[in-house]
Amino acid sequence: EVQVVESGGGLVQPGGSLRLSCTASGFTFSSYTMTWVRQAPGKGLEWVSTISGSGDATYYADSVKGRFTISRDNSKNTLYVQMNSLRAEDTAIYYCAKDLKQGERFFDYWGQGTLVTVSS
Amino acid sequence: QPVLTQSPSASASLGASVKLTCTLDSGHSSYAIAWHQQKPAKGPRYLMKVNSDGSHSKGDGIPDRFSGSSSGAERFLTISSLQSEDEADYYCQTWGNGRVFGGGTKLTVL
Repeated sequence: EVQVVESGGGLVQPGGSLRLSCTASGFTFSSYTMTWVRQAPGKGLEWVSTISGSGDATYYADSVKGRFTISRDNSKNTLYVQMNSLRAEDTAIYYCAKDLKQGERFFDYWGQGTLVTVSS
Repeated sequence: QPVLTQSPSASASLGASVKLTCTLDSGHSSYAIAWHQQKPAKGPRYLMKVNSDGSHSKGDGIPDRFSGSSSGAERFLTISSLQSEDEADYYCQTWGNGRVFGGGTKLTVL
C-alpha cells in the first residue's frame, strides 16, 4: 500500500526556519518525482516545489524561490523541504504528493498534511 | 502557464448526478488534467486523469460512479448516484512551469 506521511510542522516566528519531512512507503521512492503543495486556511491548493526522482532537478514557485529548498534522501525514502525566512503568508497545511508515473505530471497519492503556522 | 477555471460551488440532490467543469485557457486547450477530491480536514485524493479526447484513467478504489469526459477546452467530472460522502471540494490540476491547480469547486449534496 502506497503511503506518504508528512511531519515537522509547528509554530514558528516570522523570519524563522522549519524543516518538513515526508516519509514514503509502498513504492520505489527513487523512481518518482515528488512535490510539496500547500493550502492556506480556507484557501485552495498551491504548488510549492517539485524534485525529480534522482534529486538532480528542482523547481520552485516564485513565492518561495530563494527561501525554500527541496531535497530528498532516497536511501531513507524521505522527502524534505527546508523553509527559511518564513512569513505570515507561508502559514498553511503542507502536503507531499507523489507523481502518477514517470513523465506524468499528475499526483496520484497525497499525504494527510502537516500544519505550519508563522506567527509572533 | 496554463490557467484552470472552476466554478466556486455546485449542488445536487442525493441520488442525482452532477457534472463539474474545469476549463483550460485557449492556449492550453489540449492539455490533460487530473481531478482530486478533498473532504473537510483531509488531504486530497486523486480521482482520475482526463485526456483531451475524453479518455480517463481512475485512481485506486475510485467507484464507477465517478467518470471523466472532455469537450474542447473543458474537462468534466461526472458523479452519478450522489451520496452524502461525495460532499467535498474538487480540484483540477495540470502542469506548466510547475504544477497548476484550479480554484476548486465546493460540492454540496442536498
